[in-house]
Amino acid sequence: GAVVSQHPSRVICKSGTSVKIECRSLDFQATTMFWYRQFPKQSLMLMATSNEGSKATYEQGVEKDKFLINHASLTLSTLTVTSAHPEDSSFYICSARQAGARGHTQYFGPGTRLTVL
Amino acid sequence: QQQVKQSPQSLIVQKGGISIINCAYENTAFDYFPWYQQFPGKGPALLIAIRPDVSEKKEGRFTISFNKSAKQFSLHIMDSQPGDSATYFCAATANNDMRFGAGTRLTVKP
Repeated sequence: GAVVSQHPSRVICKSGTSVKIECRSLDFQATTMFWYRQFPKQSLMLMATSNEGSKATYEQGVEKDKFLINHASLTLSTLTVTSAHPEDSSFYICSARQAGARGHTQYFGPGTRLTVL
Repeated sequence: QQQVKQSPQSLIVQKGGISIINCAYENTAFDYFPWYQQFPGKGPALLIAIRPDVSEKKEGRFTISFNKSAKQFSLHIMDSQPGDSATYFCAATANNDMRFGAGTRLTVKP
């Protein structure tokens, strides 16, 4: 149980284009989903917390107009990187917390490797 | 400011040895401490977790030791295997806020 999927697993795009990444909880409902960014050989940095049906809460320094997050259902959250630039190239990972779960356990997706040319 | 400090940054252990990774935190509001294992190009996978009301938790070869007064916790991997070679992250959580350590790259030599 507690499987989280991400799509696509990797994407290469040209500078200036927008890229959408999907995060799905496959066998549980997630009231809260999280988006992280991870640069090579570094730790995970929280970008934003997404609650179903409400606006995402962004961490300091993360541009909400550049990283659009939508959490339209209890099993799906999307991250759209708008007007991507090479410095946005990174490994993006989502996680989901099970609805009603005590203990704050987050289950992570497999990640999406974004390369902006 | 890093809220969870993790050491060492890298660790090399011989097969069959014990791997020990340490973490420390400052925020006493943290009430859940998971460890994650991450292989290259993959997302982190929950390995084991502990709450501050217990001092130790063991699952198979993996043990968490927790010292609430010192605000420290550690992961011990017994009988380390080459397949354990990965990056390990400790984390600390309060409500929705999960903060990760910097990670430890473990290499288990055959």
